[in-house]
Amino acid sequence: DAKTTQPPSMDCAEGRAANLPCNHSTISGNEYVYWYRQIHSQGPQYIIHGLKNNETNEMASLIITEDRKSSTLILPHATLRDTAVYYCIVPRMEYGNKLVFGAGTILRVKS
Amino acid sequence: EAQVTQNPRYLITVTGKKLTVTCSQNMNHEYMSWYRQDPGLGLRQIYYSMNVEVTDKGDVPEGYKVSRKEKRNFPLILESPSPNQTSLYFCASTCFRGPKETQYFGPGTRLLVL
Repeated sequence: DAKTTQPPSMDCAEGRAANLPCNHSTISGNEYVYWYRQIHSQGPQYIIHGLKNNETNEMASLIITEDRKSSTLILPHATLRDTAVYYCIVPRMEYGNKLVFGAGTILRVKS
Repeated sequence: EAQVTQNPRYLITVTGKKLTVTCSQNMNHEYMSWYRQDPGLGLRQIYYSMNVEVTDKGDVPEGYKVSRKEKRNFPLILESPSPNQTSLYFCASTCFRGPKETQYFGPGTRLLVL
């Protein structure tokens, strides 16, 4: 019973914005949305998180819809080094509110 | 620099030969965990520890042991490794600040059991 749904893969041209969607239609009012990424065979890396307002940091922007049922991670100027698996995660109560990593979206940035 | 270290990074062993993968973090985090990652199965939690001397099973604990004698270290022990434990292993240390949870992962240990 996954709490998030992401496309399995996406392609993006180098230098363009990469927009990665995530559906989390069963999210509760106080649950955050987290984004991590994993570059090939490295440990996952935290990117950003948000509750209901849009968030931006040095790595990415996170846009959360007003009903909080979906969000989009934006990498404004994708580079080849952004090629990775991107995980959208909502803590799962049945796992003690721990972050549980699903399959994620494979983002391929191409020159 | 805040980091999680694991050793060894690569290991080839034979069935039944006990091994330990070490994990250490320098962030004074209470919560640490071990994951394995296999193609098509994503990251699965093996064991976690909420503090010194407090450990609990994750989703796939069979064949593994852990200990947490001090806050910074959380070794993963395979008493009698088998080929189905061939995998990529990650240790993680978690920071909780209010509702925010941030996991810091180690670089990974690639294990091959023959």
